Amino acid sequence: AQSVTQPDIHITVSEGASLELRCNYSYGATPYLFWYVQSPGQGLQLLLKYFSGDTLVQGIKGFEAEFKRSQSSFNLRKPSVHWSDAAEYFCAVALNRDDKIIFGKGTRLHILP
Amino acid sequence: EAGVAQSPRYKIIEKRQSVAFWCNPISGHATLYWYQQILGQGPKLLIQFQNNGVVDDSQLPKDRFSAERLKGVDSTLKIQPAKLEDSAVYLCASSLYGVDEQFFGPGTRLTVL
Repeated sequence: AQSVTQPDIHITVSEGASLELRCNYSYGATPYLFWYVQSPGQGLQLLLKYFSGDTLVQGIKGFEAEFKRSQSSFNLRKPSVHWSDAAEYFCAVALNRDDKIIFGKGTRLHILP
Repeated sequence: EAGVAQSPRYKIIEKRQSVAFWCNPISGHATLYWYQQILGQGPKLLIQFQNNGVVDDSQLPKDRFSAERLKGVDSTLKIQPAKLEDSAVYLCASSLYGVDEQFFGPGTRLTVL
């Protein structure tokens, strides 16, 4: 069965520091991969997505993610976090655009001033 | 462009009562999704509509949950009767084509006492 693992439930970083959130998936083929962000009381907002092509994907708000087929990973990165980045981040996968999305359990990001 | 609208934003009910949630998707979006997000989990798809037809309701607890999308626009999700474990945020999303272009509403937070 398809699955998505986000190993870190909580991550705390200082403002201005770099960030990497981990995501591993279990799928038979290269799936569609997504990162979403959810701020308190808000719905989910798509940060970036990967289907094929260049394995380094640029998203909104200065985020990027790298697809590594050999490691079945799609880690999210940001070179310098801002206090407004404090939120919950979800990695998600789908077999194709017509398939349903399966979400990971999320990683809550805390920012220290 | 207006986003996905949901109401109410919050609802508190006693177990065994009934509750209904409403969703108005982005204009022109043929596909509508309802997700359940339990605290500490990622969203889980309950039902997907394409226009007013059901595409996937495999994870909808049909003994107590029902959903409809009359005229292929607005949708209503109902729970009757509610159980304690139904406490969650119910998210509605819509897309023009597939899961790679979903836009989420702010959600309805349901508390069952």
